[in-house]
Amino acid sequence: ETGVTQTPRHLVMGMTNKKSLKCEQHLGHNAMYWYKQSAKKPLELMFVYSLEERVENNSVPSRFSPECPNSSHLFLHLHTLQPEDSALYLCASSLNRREGTQYFGPGTRLLVL
Amino acid sequence: AQTVTQSQPEMSVQEAETVTLSCTYDTSESDYYLFWYKQPPSRQMILVIRQEAYKQQNATENRFSVNFQKAAKSFSLKISDSQLGDAAMYFCAYRSRQGGSEKLVFGKGTKLTVNP
Repeated sequence: ETGVTQTPRHLVMGMTNKKSLKCEQHLGHNAMYWYKQSAKKPLELMFVYSLEERVENNSVPSRFSPECPNSSHLFLHLHTLQPEDSALYLCASSLNRREGTQYFGPGTRLLVL
Repeated sequence: AQTVTQSQPEMSVQEAETVTLSCTYDTSESDYYLFWYKQPPSRQMILVIRQEAYKQQNATENRFSVNFQKAAKSFSLKISDSQLGDAAMYFCAYRSRQGGSEKLVFGKGTKLTVNP
């Protein structure tokens, strides 16, 4: 699968670090998403971008800061995270906001020490 | 709010046999999408099959088919001729087609083991 790529695949960071997750989609889609997948919990939508504009923010703490410079790239900037933020972070994209099929990247496994 | 329930945390099947994974959902909407996604140990979330609620015909994709019962709000996945590569977590998901939310609502998943 090369449609949606994410880097890095694994990340270990301390609570005072600043890091960024990157997502890139090669599908010509206009909508991109960040999800969080924690153990024993369903996937949680964090952010939605449509044509580089944030259209949904599901009560995510401000220590997570998304950025969408263009329709192909999505970043998640991380700052002063907590150990409970350790999870798999998945990026997805869809043709547009109305087209229901979302295609996922391989995820970034984040561990906060 | 919509909810998705997968009542089977784990299932197992013998290679070459058939297995059915259950999913029920709750919604007051009439127009929506339903999906099954597969997440193998590599963690990549892969789309298996998609159903649009307005379509009465059950979706099929090769060895994968669904039994969509709209009135019962049931959306089960049948895997025929199971293969070792089918072993994964399977997630049922719901998405509204009505304006205002792009959110996929996921169930908690079913872990499928395929025994040789």
